[in-house]
Amino acid sequence: AQSVAQPEDQVNVAEGNPLTVKCTYSVSGNPYLFWYVQYPNRGLQFLLKYITGDNLVKGSYGFEAEFNKSQTSFHLKKPSALVSDSALYFCAAFYGQNFVFGPGTRLSVLP
Amino acid sequence: DTAVSQTPKYLVTQMGNDKSIKCEQNLGHDTMYWYKQDSKKFLKIMFSYNNKELIINETVPNRFSPKSPDKAHLNLHINSLELGDSAVYFCASSHARQGNSPLHFGNGTRLTVT
Repeated sequence: AQSVAQPEDQVNVAEGNPLTVKCTYSVSGNPYLFWYVQYPNRGLQFLLKYITGDNLVKGSYGFEAEFNKSQTSFHLKKPSALVSDSALYFCAAFYGQNFVFGPGTRLSVLP
Repeated sequence: DTAVSQTPKYLVTQMGNDKSIKCEQNLGHDTMYWYKQDSKKFLKIMFSYNNKELIINETVPNRFSPKSPDKAHLNLHINSLELGDSAVYFCASSHARQGNSPLHFGNGTRLTVT
């Protein structure tokens, strides 16, 4: 079965420090991979995607993600976290005709 | 301009009632979805329509019925509401034929069944 895992329910990081939110996938073939962010009482917003090509993908708000095929991972990163980055982050894979979402990781950036 | 809009934002109703949630997108996308987000924030696909044709129908009670009058609208009708239906329901759209097209979400409808 196709699945996306986010092994950490919660990630805490101090403002200004680098952050990483982890994602691994179990999808056959070559999936398209995405990261979304959800702020309170809002829908999910698209951050970035990996389709093909360069394994390091840059997206909105200074976020980037690294695709690693051998480890089937697609970790989200940011060099310097902001308090305003605090939100719920979802990794997703598009396969077939459907998006499969991970369970989400709550990021808290502490001032 | 709101790309994906859904109404109402909040819906409080009693068990046994029938209710509808409306969704409209002005992005020209060919595919629309309904997702359910539970209290633990898990997102689960419910339905997907491509050009008014049902393409995904996950295991949901048949009390839930989607209706797509045109490719810009996908409404969700729920019959005989139950306590367990309480959740946030999100509408989304994309160019599904192009797998590299991200989903665009509405802001959700918080359904509370009492």
